[in-house]
Formats: sequence, C-alpha cells, structure tokens
Amino acid sequence: AQSVTQLGSHVSVSEGALVLLRCNYSSSVPPYLFWYVQYPNQGLQLLLKYTSAATLVKGINGFEAEFKKSETSFHLTKPSAHMSDAAEYFCAVSDRSDYKLSFGAGTTVTVRA
Amino acid sequence: KAGVTQTPRYLIKTRGQQVTLSCSPISGHRSVSWYQQTPGQGLQFLFEYFSETQRNKGNFPGRFSGRQFSNSRSEMNVSTLELGDSALYLCASSSGLAGIEETQYFGPGTRLLVL
Repeated sequence: AQSVTQLGSHVSVSEGALVLLRCNYSSSVPPYLFWYVQYPNQGLQLLLKYTSAATLVKGINGFEAEFKKSETSFHLTKPSAHMSDAAEYFCAVSDRSDYKLSFGAGTTVTVRA
Repeated sequence: KAGVTQTPRYLIKTRGQQVTLSCSPISGHRSVSWYQQTPGQGLQFLFEYFSETQRNKGNFPGRFSGRQFSNSRSEMNVSTLELGDSALYLCASSSGLAGIEETQYFGPGTRLLVL
C-alpha cells in the first residue's frame, strides 16, 4: 500500500522567509503525488500535483514541489511566506490504478509577522 | 462550475443513532470518494463510488456504508454511532476515468459530533 510521511507536524516561519515542508513516499513505482492545503473549518484545496510530466511542479499561491525519485521525496517550497499561508498542509499519494488517496499526518504552518 | 457541496455542514447526534450525509459532486464528475478526518487518525479513506458502484473501500467497520445515485450524488450512512465517529467527513469528486491522471476536488466537509 502506498504511504507518505510528512516530517515535522509544525513549522513556524517569519513572513518573507522560505517555507519548506517535507514529504517522503513509499513506493517502488512512482505514484501520483499531491499537496493539499486546509484552512480552518474548510475542506482541502489542491496546491499542486505530480503525475510524471515534469519533476518540478508549480502550483497555486507561489508554491512548488520537486519530485526526486532517488530520495523518494516530494518536498513543498515557497520562497517567501505570507501571512495568508498559515494553514495545515497535507501530502498525499495514490497509485496509478485506483483513486484512493493516502494522506500524510499533515504539517501546520504558522507565519510570524 | 460549482464545486463539491456537502450537506449538512454541521450535525450533532447521540450514541446509537444513525446519520446520513450527502455529497453533490462537480458537474460531470462520476467518482465520489469519502474521507474521515480526526485529530488522532488524520485523514482516512472510507470508500469510493463510480457510476453507482463501490469501486474501492477503506478499512472501516460495516457501520459505515454509502451509495451513489444515477446523477452521481452520493450519500454516506453511519449506523449505531459511537463517540469515536465524531469527525469531519470530507467528500471529494473526480472524473473517475480509468487510465487518466486524476485530481480529487474536496467539499467543505460535514462536521459530525456524537454525544
């Protein structure tokens, strides 16, 4: 079964600083990978997805993620944090034959003024 | 295009009761998946329906069931509610077409509190 591990349940950054959220997946075959964001009392919003077209994936709100097969990683970055980036972020994986998403435990991002 | 809608948004029930949650997918989407989100267990897959058939199922007891109608709307039912069923239940829709990379779009969720 596919699984993902998110390193760090909480990340605190200063406004304008780099945001780096770590995600590692377990799979012998490159799966589909996703990053979702969840704001308080809301559902999940897709930030970006990897489907093997390109290893560097650009998403919404200035986020991007790089797929590294050798490291089985799909870390999410944003060069300059904004106060509105404060939310919980989930890395998710699905294999190429079903539509079940397996989520990481989530990383809560707080942004300091 | 309207997004995924879920009703009701909030629900309070007591132990032993049953509950039905509803999800309307994005127009044209034929796949609906359900997830349970709790602070302790995180986001867990419940089941997925495509064209009125359950296509995939997570590791939940039989008290959790669902169905999908011909218009792709889906309902999820939980019988004999337990305190541990208190959670945010999220519905997601996708086109569901096999062999095509898929993105699931999530609704705002139904927050269920079991007392």
